[in-house]
Amino acid sequence: GEDVEQSLFLSVREGDSSVINCTYTDSSSTYLYWYKQEPGAGLQLLTYIFSNMDMKQDQRLTVLLNKKDKHLSLRIADTQTGDSAIYFCAEERGYSTLTFGKGTMLLVSP
Amino acid sequence: DARVTQTPRHKVTEMGQEVTMRCQPILGHNTVFWYRQTMMQGLELLAYFRNRAPLDDSGMPKDRFSAEMPDATLATLKIQPSEPRDSAVYFCASGPGQANQPQHFGDGTRLSIL
Repeated sequence: GEDVEQSLFLSVREGDSSVINCTYTDSSSTYLYWYKQEPGAGLQLLTYIFSNMDMKQDQRLTVLLNKKDKHLSLRIADTQTGDSAIYFCAEERGYSTLTFGKGTMLLVSP
Repeated sequence: DARVTQTPRHKVTEMGQEVTMRCQPILGHNTVFWYRQTMMQGLELLAYFRNRAPLDDSGMPKDRFSAEMPDATLATLKIQPSEPRDSAVYFCASGPGQANQPQHFGDGTRLSIL
């Protein structure tokens, strides 16, 4: 299919690690992105990974890419209540156009 | 920090009325995108522009929606006539138009059609 797929919901406790998964469709996508959306706000870019990389780490965020399976994941270490939001995976399909998944709602409980 | 600015933030109107949403992209960005977000459909790309020219508006219902860029600092999305099913959050995003140069989003216009 042509959809970027994500699980809809994830609940974790504060201090735990969160892993949000995504599968994409276009093997020629050059960049894959993670965006975060807080209530009432637009999407904020969190991080991205180039398709020839397997992993990228940025402070508490780790992105893993399995290009063979077209699987992308975002790991948030030491998850905080402020991390509660909707997380979108997106693949770039040219001219900077992005195709987004439907988003994963992350709920962090104290 | 440079931001994409959208107005109005909220709009409530009756069906049949014309609705105009505005977007000021980040200065220097040459691509502008309009998205619609609903619970059921998620984030849908409606249209996008490059150097003010429309590149793709296939995601937009043509009979009632129109998108324009009168100049490099203003993008508009109009709905005429509006219908209750148009109720959604409409986002504008802008980008430099190069790979690995991500889109930056505005905070959206929350539209309710009664």
